[in-house]
Amino acid sequence: GQNIDQPTEMTATEGAIVQINCTYQTSGFNGLFWYQQHAGEAPTFLSYNVLDGLEEKGRFSSFLSRSKGYSYLLLKELQMKDSASYLCAATDSNYQLIWGAGTKLIIKP
Amino acid sequence: GAVVSQHPSRVICKSGTSVKIECRSLDFQATTMFWYRQFPKQSLMLMATSNEGSKATYEQGVEKDKFLINHASLTLSTLTVTSAHPEDSSFYICSASPGRDYNEQFFGPGTRLTVL
Repeated sequence: GQNIDQPTEMTATEGAIVQINCTYQTSGFNGLFWYQQHAGEAPTFLSYNVLDGLEEKGRFSSFLSRSKGYSYLLLKELQMKDSASYLCAATDSNYQLIWGAGTKLIIKP
Repeated sequence: GAVVSQHPSRVICKSGTSVKIECRSLDFQATTMFWYRQFPKQSLMLMATSNEGSKATYEQGVEKDKFLINHASLTLSTLTVTSAHPEDSSFYICSASPGRDYNEQFFGPGTRLTVL
């Protein structure tokens, strides 16, 4: 079956760095997305990786290893507004998005 | 660019009534639109995928006669929850894709449905 695993909840301190991991098992693979979702709001796009390696975009970076079925989202210089859920989603051979349950990130002062 | 709107943002209705939610792509043509449901503290659950001009494809366990989806144009899709019941109370989110490869999905702001 198809499956996405990511931690349920993480806590980090303002100004620090946090890495949110995601492992996936899909029938075929056509890329992996990370979305941010604040409570009561729709998800917003953060990143898309289809090739191995690290993609950096400001304070956020996303890494992909296709051979390991693994990705992570790295958040630097954490701010209180980064408190949100972070959703990992992989696209399968039919380009369907398979969603993880999300990681709730709590930022403490 | 790539803005998707949803209307209404919140709706409260009585049990047994029907509710229509609109999803519009404002600045691009959406070949494919997706409807998701999200219960509190849970991840997004895909309900159905619709391509303009054709019938929607529903995910397993989603009743197509209860959740009517119409994708009549390249900028508008509607989801009608028929004979709503309290267990249908949820956050409904649409997303739109300009292509058929689903690699780009732009999300609407969501609709909070409460059925009394």
